[in-house]
This record gives sequence, C-alpha cells and structure tokens, in this order.
Amino acid sequence: DVKVTQSSRYLVKRTGEKVFLECVQDMDHENMFWYRQDPGLGLRLIYFSYDVKMKEKGDIPEGYSVSREKKERFSLILESASTNQTSMYLCASTQGQNTGELFFGEGSRLTVL
Amino acid sequence: AQSVTQPDIHITVSEGASLELRCNYSYGATPYLFWYVQSPGQGLQLLLKYFSGDTLVQGIKGFEAEFKRSQSSFNLRKPSVHWSDAAEYFCAVLNSGNTGKLIFGQGTTLQVKP
Repeated sequence: DVKVTQSSRYLVKRTGEKVFLECVQDMDHENMFWYRQDPGLGLRLIYFSYDVKMKEKGDIPEGYSVSREKKERFSLILESASTNQTSMYLCASTQGQNTGELFFGEGSRLTVL
Repeated sequence: AQSVTQPDIHITVSEGASLELRCNYSYGATPYLFWYVQSPGQGLQLLLKYFSGDTLVQGIKGFEAEFKRSQSSFNLRKPSVHWSDAAEYFCAVLNSGNTGKLIFGQGTTLQVKP
C-alpha cells in the first residue's frame, strides 16, 4: 500500500516558536504538496515541490517555508508561529504533474497558543 | 481564475436514502475534475475523476458523478447511503499549466441519520 506519513498528528506550540512539520512518502513520487485545511475554506495550497531542492509557492505561502533535501521527504516550516496558523496541515504526493491523483497523509493538527 | 464551489456546507440524509452533492466549477477549457472524501481523522482519498469521454464516471464505494458542461457542474451521487459514508467531501479541479495543482472547493459535510 502506498503511504504518506506525517510525523506528528497533534502539536501544540507557543506564539513565536519555530515549528517543523515532516512528511515522508514511500512511493518514489516526484511531486509533493502542503495544504492547509480550515472549516469553510476547504484546502488551500501553501507550497509544492516538483523535485529535490525544487519548490514553488502556492496560494498562501506567507509565514511558511519548505525544505526538500530528499525525494521522499517534504518539510513545512513555520519560522515564527502565530495564532492564525492554528489549523490542520495536510501533506500529499503524486507522480507526474497532470494526474490530479493525490495521496494524502492523515494530517497534522497544529494549535498555536 | 479557476475556482470550485460547493454550495452545500452541510447535508443530512437518512441511511438508505439517495445522495447528491453539488459541485460547480469555473474553467475555460475542458476541466479535469475530482471528488475526494475525508473520513473523520483521516486524510483525503480519491473517489473518482473525470478527464474526458463518458460524462458519467464511476468511482469507489458505489459513488458516481456526472459532468455537465452546460451547467459547469460535476455532482456526486450515490443511490443508497450507508452510515459509513458520513464524511467530508471535496470537489476539485486540476489547475491548468502543467503544475499538477488541485484547486479544492470548500467541502460538504455529510451526516447520515440512522
């Protein structure tokens, strides 16, 4: 079975802390994505990556950065967490750029106090 | 700009009843359309997709969706809902330009009454 694993299901952080959300996929997929999910807003794309060390901004990149040093791992970084970044974060991967068939992790629910 | 609208935020149906979840899209060319389901505490799972050809597409778990270009719609249907179908459902369109990005709707939460 294909698998996308997000290292933390639940995190509680304080305002100003640096936060790392890790995502690993075992399918040798080229493309990886970080989405943010909020009630009533659906999923919004934060960043995506086509290849190792490649990254592109999505629709809401402000306050976030990413790292992809290895093909299987895509990390989302909140340099200085703020309360408005309290949300569910979903990582996804896919092979090829036009399939639309994303494989999602179970999500990381982040609370910033 | 491309967009997806799911007009119903929350729907409640009785178990065994039929279901239709609405999805409208805004896109200039022929869209690539998707429905995903998110069960409680889980990530999203692909239910079905439309790229071209037959406008009625079948998916997993007994779901189907019909693409209607004239109405810019891609509604999801199921003839008889089971309690395990309670979940959040997302419609999505593939962004143009070979980016591989999906644009999601706001989601519809389905509650199933016994």
